[in-house]
Order: sequence, then C-alpha cells, then structure tokens
Amino acid sequence: DAKTTQPPSMDCAEGRAANLPCNHSTISGNEYVYWYRQIHSQGPQYIIHGLKNNETNEMASLIITEDRKSSTLILPHATLRDTAVYYCIVRVGNDMRFGAGTRLTVKP
Amino acid sequence: EPEVTQTPSHQVTQMGQEVILRCVPISNHLYFYWYRQILGQKVEFLVSFYNNEISEKSEIFDDQFSVERPDGSNFTLKIRSTKLEDSAMYFCASSSFGSSGIPPRQFFGPGTRLTVL
Repeated sequence: DAKTTQPPSMDCAEGRAANLPCNHSTISGNEYVYWYRQIHSQGPQYIIHGLKNNETNEMASLIITEDRKSSTLILPHATLRDTAVYYCIVRVGNDMRFGAGTRLTVKP
Repeated sequence: EPEVTQTPSHQVTQMGQEVILRCVPISNHLYFYWYRQILGQKVEFLVSFYNNEISEKSEIFDDQFSVERPDGSNFTLKIRSTKLEDSAMYFCASSSFGSSGIPPRQFFGPGTRLTVL
C-alpha cells in the first residue's frame, strides 16, 4: 500500500469547515483513498472513500486531485464531537495500514 | 447498524499468563482482523483471517499469537506467555467481500484493553 503523509495536528472552530489534507504521491492506479477516524480510544470509524472522483456522504466530502497525489477530507460544519484522530489510508486489498493520522481539535 | 462486539472490555493479567480476547464479527462478514494500539501510538495491523486461515500477518504477529474461529460467530486472539509490552488496546474488525475491485469497509469493535502486570 502507498504511504501517506498527514499533518500531525490541526485546530478548527466549531461550526466552520475542517479541511484535512493528505499526501499520497506514490499512489498507484488501482489504489483507493480511505478515511477513518478514531474518537478518543474507541475503535476506528469509517468516514468515506474514493478512487478518483470527488465523493460526498452524510459525514464528509472527499476531494481527490486530478493527479491523485493528494486528497482533502472536508467536514463541512465541524462540531465538538468531531474532535478525533483522522487517518488517510491508501489501499487496494482487504488489509489496511494506519499511519499516525491528524489529530483534529474542534474548539468552541 | 450491525456492530462488531468484543469481550472483555478490559482484561488484566499477570506477565507470563495466557489470555484470549474474543470478538463477534458482523454476521455475514467473511474477513476478520485484529489490530493493536499501544497507548499514545498508532493502530497496528496484526493479522487478517479468511476461510478459516490466516491470509496475512504482520511482523508483530509471531508465535506468541494465534487466532481462531472456534464456531460460526466468534473470532478469538490468543496471546501466550504475555509480556509487559503486550499491554495495549486490541481491536477486532470484520468486512464483507469487496466488490468490483473496491476494498471492503472494515467495521471495528470497541476494543479490549489488555493490561499486563
């Protein structure tokens, strides 16, 4: 699986959009971009995934650059409950490898 | 939404003892996984299991560890002769078979906190 690079931490004001970047410059053509998050010490929670098109669901939007070398997870209206570690994972098979992720802190 | 469950939520054991961590995956899932997370560190892949055998394992998953699906519902991780450094959160996950080449979502349980004294 391709490696990913994420900033270690970010802050966001409550009610504002949180934009979490991920660099995956070595991604190959059949690898998908997945985002998970981990709130405190709970089990990781799936957020969204995509291959090359932008994706949106009830939780977030995923913007993937045209060259697929980077992506951005957008939480449109962050709440305090969105405070968590966010993991960007590039994968092609069943298995997943987590990096260090980005610790997002949503502040009142 | 169906959930992965894990028992116990917290296990305390003495160094050198054997522990079995239990997981009940989502009922129609075919792939099962164990991960661990040492306090303050990242989530680490241990092993994946499909069709009653290990499909992949990490370098962490040595002879001290074993996995088993003893019946149609449970998936267990056995740690023999526990060491202090085995203290961690252990997460079980399950997934269905991916379709059209899309890697399947993994659903994670709440974890078992293992403390080795």
